Amino acid sequence: GESVGLHLPTLSVQEGDNSIINCAYSNSASDYFIWYKQESGKGPQFIIDIRSNMDKRQGQRVTVLLNKTVKHLSLQIAATQPGDSAVYFCAERREKLTFGTGTRLTIIP
Amino acid sequence: EAGVAQSPRYKIIEKRQSVAFWCNPISGHATLYWYQQILGQGPKLLIQFQNNGVVDDSQLPKDRFSAERLKGVDSTLKIQPAKLEDSAVYLCASSLYEGTVVYNEQFFGPGTRLTVL
Repeated sequence: GESVGLHLPTLSVQEGDNSIINCAYSNSASDYFIWYKQESGKGPQFIIDIRSNMDKRQGQRVTVLLNKTVKHLSLQIAATQPGDSAVYFCAERREKLTFGTGTRLTIIP
Repeated sequence: EAGVAQSPRYKIIEKRQSVAFWCNPISGHATLYWYQQILGQGPKLLIQFQNNGVVDDSQLPKDRFSAERLKGVDSTLKIQPAKLEDSAVYLCASSLYEGTVVYNEQFFGPGTRLTVL
């Protein structure tokens, strides 16, 4: 079965609010995680990554948190905008990149 | 910088027919990947090339799928014969180089949406 999964298949957030997308993984040996954004009709686009020796990493409007104790990571998007509407995937890399099933984020105007 | 190019963007075929997809990676990228993305799922790696050599094809259904990257640049993925369950988006990605320790970002193309009737 898949080693990377997401908690919710869909998430609706009011424009301007913060979004939190969660992901669980099963392999404690995983040492590198990536969040991707996929808009309709496009390929996945890299958002942010984090290595297992870190707990938190911040980018522009995005933050990834990694909790190795419970094998969970999350993507926080600050002040969501209509352009943030997409499917978000977490992925882990061991020998190859393994993607979860995705969460569709919808921004309510 | 030009991105990963794929063609065609859409293809509709009947089961048992053959189909081929083409990918042109970002210039200078040594590593090329083909992924299959079934509707509602994340991409699944089918095959990975390093230059013109295969690094990983463990999830490629070799009885019907084949891929090549003859000159270490462009790549083609072929399905022969196609089955209904092959309906999916086929994504090509490339990266500078991928080793066991070094990881470079993968850049994805827009994909080819295949419908098998």
